[in-house]
Amino acid sequence: QITLKESGPTLVKPTQTLTLTCTFSGFSLSTSGVGVGWIRQPPGKALEWLALIYWDDDKRYSPSLKSRLTITKDTSKNQVVLTMTNMDPVDTATYYCAHSGIAANWFDPWGQGTLVTVSS
Amino acid sequence: EIVLTQSPGTLSLSPGERATLSCRASQSVSSSYLAWYQQKPGQAPRLLIYGASSRATGIPDRFSGSGSGTDFTLTISRLEPEDFAVYYCQQYGSSPEYTFGQGTKLEIK
Repeated sequence: QITLKESGPTLVKPTQTLTLTCTFSGFSLSTSGVGVGWIRQPPGKALEWLALIYWDDDKRYSPSLKSRLTITKDTSKNQVVLTMTNMDPVDTATYYCAHSGIAANWFDPWGQGTLVTVSS
Repeated sequence: EIVLTQSPGTLSLSPGERATLSCRASQSVSSSYLAWYQQKPGQAPRLLIYGASSRATGIPDRFSGSGSGTDFTLTISRLEPEDFAVYYCQQYGSSPEYTFGQGTKLEIK
C-alpha cells in the first residue's frame, strides 16, 4: 500500500522560504519510472501542479513558478522536499504530494495535504 | 501551454440520474495523457480515470471516461449519494508538464 504524508509549517511570513517534506512508504524512488509530484490548491480554487522529481533525479517545474521552486529527494529516507522562496499571501494553499507510477502521467495516490497560510 | 476548460461549472442532479462532465483542451491531447479525479470536501483528490478511459483500481464501473483530441467526457451512469463532489480533469504535456481543469462541482438537486 502506497501512502504519502506532507509536513512543514502551517504559517509563514511574506518573503520567507517555505520548506515542505513529503514522507512516503510502499514504493521506492529508486525504481525506474517512478516520480513524486507536488500540487497545491488555494482555498476554494482549482488544483495547480508545481513540480515533480523522477527516480533518476530528473526534475520538472511549473514554468510560472520555476524561479522560486526547488525539489529534491532523499531516497534512503523515502522523502521528497519542496522549497518555495519569497512566499506571498497568494501562495496560501493546501499543498499535496502525490505518487506518479511507472510510465504513468497521472497522480495516484495523493497525500492528505497540508494547509500553509502566508501572513504577517 | 494547454488549457483545460471544464463544463459545466456546476451540475445539479438527483441520485439515480446520469451525469456527463466535459473537459475541453485548447490543443490536442493524447488520450494516454488525460486523467480524471474526484475530490470531496476536506479530502485529497482521488484518481478515477487514466488514459482517458481506464478506471483506476477500486473505481466502480458506473464511472466511465471517453473522448479524444480536444474533447473528453466523464460519465457517471447512475449517481450514488457519495458521488456528489468536485471533479477535475488533468493532462500531461510539455511545459508545463501537468495542467488541471478548473473543476466541475456535482451537487445534489
